[in-house]
Amino acid sequence: KQEVTQIPAALSVPEGENLVLNCSFTDSAIYNLQWFRQDPGKGLTSLLLIQSSQREQTSGRLNASLDKSSGRSTLYIAASQPGDSATYLCAVWVYGQNFVFGPGTRLSVLP
Amino acid sequence: EAGVAQSPRYKIIEKRQSVAFWCNPISGHATLYWYQQILGQGPKLLIQFQNNGVVDDSQLPKDRFSAERLKGVDSTLKIQPAKLEDSAVYLCASSLALQGQGLYEQYFGPGTRLTVT
Repeated sequence: KQEVTQIPAALSVPEGENLVLNCSFTDSAIYNLQWFRQDPGKGLTSLLLIQSSQREQTSGRLNASLDKSSGRSTLYIAASQPGDSATYLCAVWVYGQNFVFGPGTRLSVLP
Repeated sequence: EAGVAQSPRYKIIEKRQSVAFWCNPISGHATLYWYQQILGQGPKLLIQFQNNGVVDDSQLPKDRFSAERLKGVDSTLKIQPAKLEDSAVYLCASSLALQGQGLYEQYFGPGTRLTVT
């Protein structure tokens, strides 16, 4: 059964720092991996979708990498801003299984 | 393009009562998902529909939860009777097709926060 973990559970950084969020999964037979952002009291917003054949995706200040063999993905946020404060979740789609989410990393960017 | 709509946004009920949530997906999206998100955890998939048919409901507590998508568009999730542990945010999402059939992103609604007292 696929399990997804995220480290750290919470992170607080000063504005302008570059930061890395980590996602690990136990079953490497994934179809794709998706990073989401969740603001308090709101639904999830898709940030990046990485296909199993890809190694990374970029959107603006965000870069996500995928290493299937080691069961890891990282989300890199460059030049963090207070508006980046949210919970970041990763999720994997496994063949024949459901879309499995990690518990999330709660990010606070201090002005 | 309008997003995924959900109502109500908040609901407070007593245990053993019943409750229903409504979801209207993005127009043209064939696949619809219901998730349960307990505080501090990631969302857990309850049920997914392809048009008006159920694709996977293996994690749906069928003794108390039911869901339908009669015309292949909007959907209703019902809990009867509710328990204290059902307190959570219920999220609806939609995509063009099943992710296993293509690389289609899921788009989420704002969710319904349920409190069972």
